[in-house]
Amino acid sequence: GQSLEQPSEVTAVEGAIVQINCTYQTSGFYGLSWYQQHDGGAPTFLSYNALDGLEETGRFSSFLSRSDSYGYLLLQELQMKDSASYFCAVRLHGSGNTGKLIFGQGTTLQVKP
Amino acid sequence: ETGVTQTPRHLVMGMTNKKSLKCEQHLGHNAMYWYKQSAKKPLELMFVYNFKEQTENNSVPSRFSPECPNSSHLFLHLHTLQPEDSALYLCASSQDTGSEQYFGPGTRLTVT
Repeated sequence: GQSLEQPSEVTAVEGAIVQINCTYQTSGFYGLSWYQQHDGGAPTFLSYNALDGLEETGRFSSFLSRSDSYGYLLLQELQMKDSASYFCAVRLHGSGNTGKLIFGQGTTLQVKP
Repeated sequence: ETGVTQTPRHLVMGMTNKKSLKCEQHLGHNAMYWYKQSAKKPLELMFVYNFKEQTENNSVPSRFSPECPNSSHLFLHLHTLQPEDSALYLCASSQDTGSEQYFGPGTRLTVT
């Protein structure tokens, strides 16, 4: 079956850099996405990697390596407001999978002063 | 106006009740989705609609019945639910089924 693994919790201090890893087991997918969800809020789209390599969007970067079945989200210059849950997700290939996103269980990031 | 709205935000219902969740998107998207989010579990895709047609039913029990009257509105009709159905139900939309998805704030459902 398809699955994505993430650490359940990560703690870091304000101003630091943190990396949230996502390893996956899936037969084929279009790309790796990352979503942020604050407590009680809606998941919001952060980034998408269709190809291997690094994508940078401001303080956030995301990386994908299909050969290693691995990706990560890198958050720099951490701010208190970055405390949230972060989910990786893949969009599956194949008939019957149109629009189907599979999510990891999420990583809760706690930023401390 | 907020992109994807959901009502109600909170719902408590008994196992014999019938209720409906509503989702509306103001983004001009063609695809809409229902997800279930339970504590300590990944988001689970329930249904996908593309141009009002259901394209995915992820083995969801029949006590959950979706309805998509047009590309802007999506409903989830609930009847004879179980306590384990208590969860956050999220609606999402996207331009097409290959594009990034925009989520609504969710309905927190408690089944007593």
